[in-house]
Amino acid sequence: EPEVTQTPSHQVTQMGQEVILRCVPISNHLYFYWYRQILGQKVEFLVSFYNNEISEKSEIFDDQFSVERPDGSNFTLKIRSTKLEDSAMYFCASRPGQGIYEQYFGPGTRLTVT
Amino acid sequence: GESVGLHLPTLSVQEGDNSIINCAYSNSASDYFIWYKQESGKGPQFIIDIRSNMDKRQGQRVTVLLNKTVKHLSLQIAATQPGDSAVYFCALKAAGNKLTFGGGTRVLVKP
Repeated sequence: EPEVTQTPSHQVTQMGQEVILRCVPISNHLYFYWYRQILGQKVEFLVSFYNNEISEKSEIFDDQFSVERPDGSNFTLKIRSTKLEDSAMYFCASRPGQGIYEQYFGPGTRLTVT
Repeated sequence: GESVGLHLPTLSVQEGDNSIINCAYSNSASDYFIWYKQESGKGPQFIIDIRSNMDKRQGQRVTVLLNKTVKHLSLQIAATQPGDSAVYFCALKAAGNKLTFGGGTRVLVKP
């Protein structure tokens, strides 16, 4: 069964450093998402991406965040200058396309900012 | 604004019994609802979904009920098994295509 994959599973970085979280969505899916989950809290939407551009973003997704689909398979989330409060699980998700809203989630990347 | 909430943070259930997890939402424009299961250290896993033009949908051992009048969603798990122990999230879609998640209910299955 196809699945969303994410790398790395755990990333430790120092405050102020740049990090790139990587995702490979399910092939033939058209919509891509990043969510985050701070420990013990609910899953929060960050950004959605379709047709090579951001279609929606939350207040959390400020100028420090960016997304990219550099090739036909990868979908990345970059945090330019990490802050302590960026520590969280980051989940990538994808869904097939119009009319199908079920989102398939990856296993997540745990980001720890020290 | 949009909010999704859960009535019970933890549900303990005897193995073999049925589980019911509840979710209240505030956005009447929500048109799609989904239940996810999250095991420790893993991403949310799809369980079942329902669109706003339905009030009930059944899957394998799971049933989702939607009451749009009172903005309430529930997940019923029949014959709960140890493997059902996890945190369960409801999520909804309104305008746009993002999902808004509830806070989660932990289900503990006692042998």
